[in-house]
Amino acid sequence: GQNIDQPTEMTATEGAIVQINCTYQTSGFNGLFWYQQHAGEAPTFLSYNVLDGLEEKGRFSSFLSRSKGYSYLLLKELQMKDSASYLCAVLDSNYQLIWGAGTKLIIKP
Amino acid sequence: IAGITQAPTSQILAAGRRMTLRCTQDMRHNAMYWYRQDLGLGLRLIHYSNTAGTTGKGEVPDGYSVSRANTDDFPLTLASAVPSQTSVYFCASSDSPSGSTDTQYFGPGTRLTVL
Repeated sequence: GQNIDQPTEMTATEGAIVQINCTYQTSGFNGLFWYQQHAGEAPTFLSYNVLDGLEEKGRFSSFLSRSKGYSYLLLKELQMKDSASYLCAVLDSNYQLIWGAGTKLIIKP
Repeated sequence: IAGITQAPTSQILAAGRRMTLRCTQDMRHNAMYWYRQDLGLGLRLIHYSNTAGTTGKGEVPDGYSVSRANTDDFPLTLASAVPSQTSVYFCASSDSPSGSTDTQYFGPGTRLTVL
């Protein structure tokens, strides 16, 4: 079966750095997405990785290792507004998006 | 309007009743999707449409139907609601058809409770 694993919840301190991991086992791979979802709101696109390596976009970076079936989202200089759930999703061989359950990130002052 | 709108925002429904969730996008996107989101589970695809006039089944289609009469609208109908359909429903769209690497844009969601 297809599976996306992410930690359920993480806590970090304002101004710090946090890494949210995602491991996947899917039938094929055509890219990995990270979305941010604030409570009660819609998911919004953060990043897309299809090649191995690190993609940096401001305070957010996303890393992919296809051989390990592994990705992480790195958030730097955390702000209170970064408190949200972070969803990992993989495009499988049929180009269907398989979603993880999301990681709830709690930022403390 | 800009983006995707959904209606209603929330609804409480008696089991056995028929309900249509509305979704409209003004981005002229080709593809549209309906997901449900339940606590502890990832988003699950119910139905999708690659272009006006065509629809396809997702991971959890049973009990739901859709239509795509035009580019902008993609309503989701529950013919006879059951309590297990209590969930938050998100409509999404993408410029390219399902089966691409294109980013999906989501509506604000409809919170549905079936009693």
